Amino acid sequence: QKEVEQDPGPLSVPEGAIVSLNCTYSNSAFQYFMWYRQYSRKGPELLMYTYSSGNKEDGRFTAQVDKSSKYISLFIRDSQPSDSATYLCAMILNNNNDMRFGAGTRLTVKP
Amino acid sequence: GAVVSQHPSWVICKSGTSVKIECRSLDFQATTMFWYRQFPKQSLMLMATSNEGSKATYEQGVEKDKFLINHASLTLSTLTVTSAHPEDSSFYICSASYRGTGELFFGEGSRLTVL
Repeated sequence: QKEVEQDPGPLSVPEGAIVSLNCTYSNSAFQYFMWYRQYSRKGPELLMYTYSSGNKEDGRFTAQVDKSSKYISLFIRDSQPSDSATYLCAMILNNNNDMRFGAGTRLTVKP
Repeated sequence: GAVVSQHPSWVICKSGTSVKIECRSLDFQATTMFWYRQFPKQSLMLMATSNEGSKATYEQGVEKDKFLINHASLTLSTLTVTSAHPEDSSFYICSASYRGTGELFFGEGSRLTVL
């Protein structure tokens, strides 16, 4: 079993839809949770960074962490064609930087 | 946000030559830097972790003599692909860990093509 599971998609939605991206993980020691967006032929860029459980909102993006269920989500409201990219979840352990990535979900937002 | 600069963004070289890729944290000190390799349609694969002033820790299956990593300062790490072969052609990405929070910032990546 992989430490981090993420449905690779692809996921296709119409413009304006709410997008829900999810990851599950098996190691309860993970403390920091991140979502990265990667456009084709570019390096990943950090979108959201959350410590422990709870919600964090930034513009159209909301990140949720449910540590009891070992489940994290990224919601994109009013999705735009420019949101079309691969979204990677990532998490690191506390007190060190052992990072694990999900496989990435390829999202296409159609105009 | 913090910026990590990776150079060169793309490089083409002949088989047998060595190629150096630089990763710099421009506006913060990075105690730890990571090097990844990304194969087409796959996620990032962590190659090694380097801490400033010490030897890099390589992931299982990564040849340390093939991929030389040097983390000479808190703002610079280099990856040297020695005696490159066509199978080394890939997208290499670095990331730097912000001192204190552990937040990671990624470079833009370097596309290596070995002829």
